[in-house]
Amino acid sequence: EVQLVESGGGLVQPGGSLRLSCAASGFTVSSNYMSWVRQAPGKGLEWVSVIYSGGSTYYADSVKGRFTISRHISKSTVYLQMNSLRPEDTAVYYCARSIAAAGQHGWYLDLWGRGTLVTVSS
Amino acid sequence: QSVLTQPPSVSGAPGQRVTISCTGSSSNIGAGYDVHWYQQLPGTAPKLLIYGNINRSSGVPDRFSGSKSGTSASLAITGLQAEDEADYYCQSYDSSLSGSVFGGGTKLTVL
Repeated sequence: EVQLVESGGGLVQPGGSLRLSCAASGFTVSSNYMSWVRQAPGKGLEWVSVIYSGGSTYYADSVKGRFTISRHISKSTVYLQMNSLRPEDTAVYYCARSIAAAGQHGWYLDLWGRGTLVTVSS
Repeated sequence: QSVLTQPPSVSGAPGQRVTISCTGSSSNIGAGYDVHWYQQLPGTAPKLLIYGNINRSSGVPDRFSGSKSGTSASLAITGLQAEDEADYYCQSYDSSLSGSVFGGGTKLTVL
C-alpha cells in the first residue's frame, strides 16, 4: 500500500529540539520530491520545507536556519530536524509526496500522511 | 496574511454551484506558475483535488473543476452535496520566496 506515516511529535519546551520522521511505503523517496507542511491549531496550511529528488533542499523563511530536512533512502524515510523551537511552531506537521510541476518550478502534493502534533510550550 | 488570497467562507444549497477564488501576484500565479487545490475534511489530512490548474486528481468527481486567468485561479463545485462541506486551499509557487505558498483557506458550508 502506498502511504506515509509520520512520527516523532510531542511536547517540547521553547528553545528545544525535536526530530520528525516520515516513513514511506509503496514508492521510492529518492525518486520523488518530499515536503513538510504544517497547520497550526485552527489555522491554514503552511509549507515548511522540500527535498528534491536530487537532494537540494528549500525552506520557508519562518524556519530557515532552524529546521533541516533530510532523507535516508534505504530506510525510505524523510526527516525534519527542528531546533530552537518557538511557541509559534506549534502545529500538526504533515509529510507529503510532491510531484514536480512540468517545465517549471513548483510542485503539488499528491499523497499526505495523517500528521504528527508538535506542541512547543513551557 | 497569506501570499495567496481566498475568501474565508462560501456557502450554497445542495445542488447549487459555488466558486472559490484564489488571488495571487506577479511572483506566483501571474508569473505562470501552476495552481493546485486541496480539500480538507474536518479532522483529516488535506487531499489533492486539482493539479496543474485544471486537472482532476484520480477519483475526484467531475463536479469539481479548476481554472486560471492572469493572477487568479478558481475552483468551481457544481451539484453541491453535503459531503462537500470542508475547507479548501489553493497552492502555487512563488519565485520571490523560492518556495511553495498556500492560500488562507475557504470554509465551504452546504446549507
